[in-house]
Amino acid sequence: EVQLVESGGGLVKPGGSLRLSCAASGFTFDLYSMIWVRQAPGKGLEWVSSISSSSSHIFYADSVKGRFTIFRDNAKNSLYLQMNGLRVEDTAVYYCGREVRTPGYWGQGTLVTVSS
Amino acid sequence: DVVMTQSPLSLPVTLGQPASISCRSSQSLVHSDGNTYLNWFHQRPGQSPRRLIYKVSYRDSGVPERFSGSGSGTDFTLKISRVEAEDVGVYYCMQGTQWPLTFGGGTKVEIK
Repeated sequence: EVQLVESGGGLVKPGGSLRLSCAASGFTFDLYSMIWVRQAPGKGLEWVSSISSSSSHIFYADSVKGRFTIFRDNAKNSLYLQMNGLRVEDTAVYYCGREVRTPGYWGQGTLVTVSS
Repeated sequence: DVVMTQSPLSLPVTLGQPASISCRSSQSLVHSDGNTYLNWFHQRPGQSPRRLIYKVSYRDSGVPERFSGSGSGTDFTLKISRVEAEDVGVYYCMQGTQWPLTFGGGTKVEIK
């Protein structure tokens, strides 16, 4: 069974940092591209970042470019999102997903709250 | 950026009746590899999104046959042949053809 489990969310002050993790199981992790998507409270879904299976192709939404870094450790079956320079508008539930163009599996999400 | 426009924003439906959601993209979603990466997701309150349809019309495993996707180019539709109580929630279309990936604003389906 495919499982994606996010962790690392929490309350952080504006300008602070957090690292989100996504632990994958039930599939051959290093064969799949991965994605981060977020959802602000009461709002819709917003793509954040994507990474190819070998980390050779990485993309970011303009809203996070230069502040967030996506990376993966295929040996640990894990995906990460390093978030620096956090802003109030980054407050959201962050989901990791398997595959980029047709994300078919999602984690349960981890809540990031940016507030002073 | 490709703008995904869903309509309606809200869809009150009667149990057992059909429902239809439209998704229009500002540019063609045909990828250079020949595929059209248009997905549909369903999200219930407090839950993660669940993919229902990928590449316009391919139904995911375990998704009831009452759900179907159609369309081409810039105009796509999700249809529910007979709405059941478990179908309430928000439906999103998403394009995976062009960067940045973009979602529609969502359609909230509720029972009348």
